[in-house]
Amino acid sequence: EIVLTQSPGTLSLSPGERATLSCRASGSVSSNHLAWYQVKPGQAPRLLISGASRRATAIPDRFSGSGSGTDFTLTISRLEPEDFAVYYCQRYDISPRTFGQGTKVEVK
Amino acid sequence: EVQLVESGGGLVQPGGSLRLSCAASGFTFSSHSMNWVRQAPGKGLEWVSYISGSTTSVNYADSVKGRFTISRDNARNSLYLQINSLRDEDTAVYYCARGEATSGWLIDYWGQGTLVTVSP
Repeated sequence: EIVLTQSPGTLSLSPGERATLSCRASGSVSSNHLAWYQVKPGQAPRLLISGASRRATAIPDRFSGSGSGTDFTLTISRLEPEDFAVYYCQRYDISPRTFGQGTKVEVK
Repeated sequence: EVQLVESGGGLVQPGGSLRLSCAASGFTFSSHSMNWVRQAPGKGLEWVSYISGSTTSVNYADSVKGRFTISRDNARNSLYLQINSLRDEDTAVYYCARGEATSGWLIDYWGQGTLVTVSP
């Protein structure tokens, strides 16, 4: 079974702080086909990062992605009020296109 | 501007059927693969199904295989999901999601979702 494990489950931080989110795959992700999405209640999910490190259109540069193989990281350099949300990683190199279980970034 | 608008959700009894629709605009629909992704209450995202732009390639999650059927009408810029033999665990918000033109398996835009509730 293909599994993506995100940690931590919840991050409690204050605006202006740095957030570091982890995504670990049970098998190597080919060509770094790993994406990160932001989900807020009642809104359409938004693509943040593709190819492990490429910011999507109109995504602020405080969001950055890194990693390769089985270990990936999403970093938000300085949290803005609108960044408090749930973040999911997804691999899109194989089917099924598995999502991680999500990391909730909440206001401390 | 890319827009994806889902419809067709509602309350349905276990064992029932439903057809979800997604109206797409703001891009060349036939040039993009499309997906359905769902989120059960209090749970994470679950990829459900994929269809290529030409409809030649179709994939399903194991949890819905044999019960769900994805289809599209490129002339109407519309995506569909026929859901049969509904179970309690199918209760979720169902999102229509576009595949990127160059990397068809990457999802780059999402709709706001339509809620399906399975209950007696």
